[in-house]
Amino acid sequence: GDSVTQMEGPVTLSEEAFLTINCTYTATGYPSLFWYVQYPGEGLQLLLKATKADDKGSNKGFEATYRKETTSFHLEKGSVQVSDSAVYFCALRGNAGGTSYGKLTFGQGTILTVHP
Amino acid sequence: NAGVMQNPRHLVRRRGQEARLRCSPMKGHSHVYWYRQLPEEGLKFMVYLQKENIIDESGMPKERFSAEFPKEGPSILRIQQVVRGDSAAYFCASSPVQRGTYEQYFGPGTRLTVT
Repeated sequence: GDSVTQMEGPVTLSEEAFLTINCTYTATGYPSLFWYVQYPGEGLQLLLKATKADDKGSNKGFEATYRKETTSFHLEKGSVQVSDSAVYFCALRGNAGGTSYGKLTFGQGTILTVHP
Repeated sequence: NAGVMQNPRHLVRRRGQEARLRCSPMKGHSHVYWYRQLPEEGLKFMVYLQKENIIDESGMPKERFSAEFPKEGPSILRIQQVVRGDSAAYFCASSPVQRGTYEQYFGPGTRLTVT
């Protein structure tokens, strides 16, 4: 079945540092890929997405590129802020017609803490 | 446009009681998904519903759990005879009906505590 693996956390950075959170996946066909962010006590918010190979999703300074050859979707940001402190989830949605279509499969989440 | 609404936000139940969690999707959305987040874990899919239909319940425990999404009113996730292991955050998500636009929007979650 589908699966998503994220780098283990937590990740602690100083403000303005460079961020990378690794994400790799296993799926049949051509899934869509997502990064969600969860702030304390809240639900998940979609951060960015990519629906086909070589697509780059971007939002609020975050970027991730859909790499089919390495089955990866790593999240990056050039300069993090204290307000970026949250839990980040990588997720995939199976391609249309497969039994997994519709549902999201999530990685285990990476806790990011940014210090001033 | 109001977002996905879930209530209650916090629910405390004693072992053996029933828990009912409600989810009102975004306006115009007719697809609802339920996910469970156990402490310090990622979200796990439970069930996918459209109005009056269960499309995929492959993530639902075989016993005590049920879900519905009636023609009128919110989607309900029902847990009978709760046990301590049911303590978790339960998230609902909805997506629009348009073909090809299946972005899921999440509610704030219901945090269930079983004592």
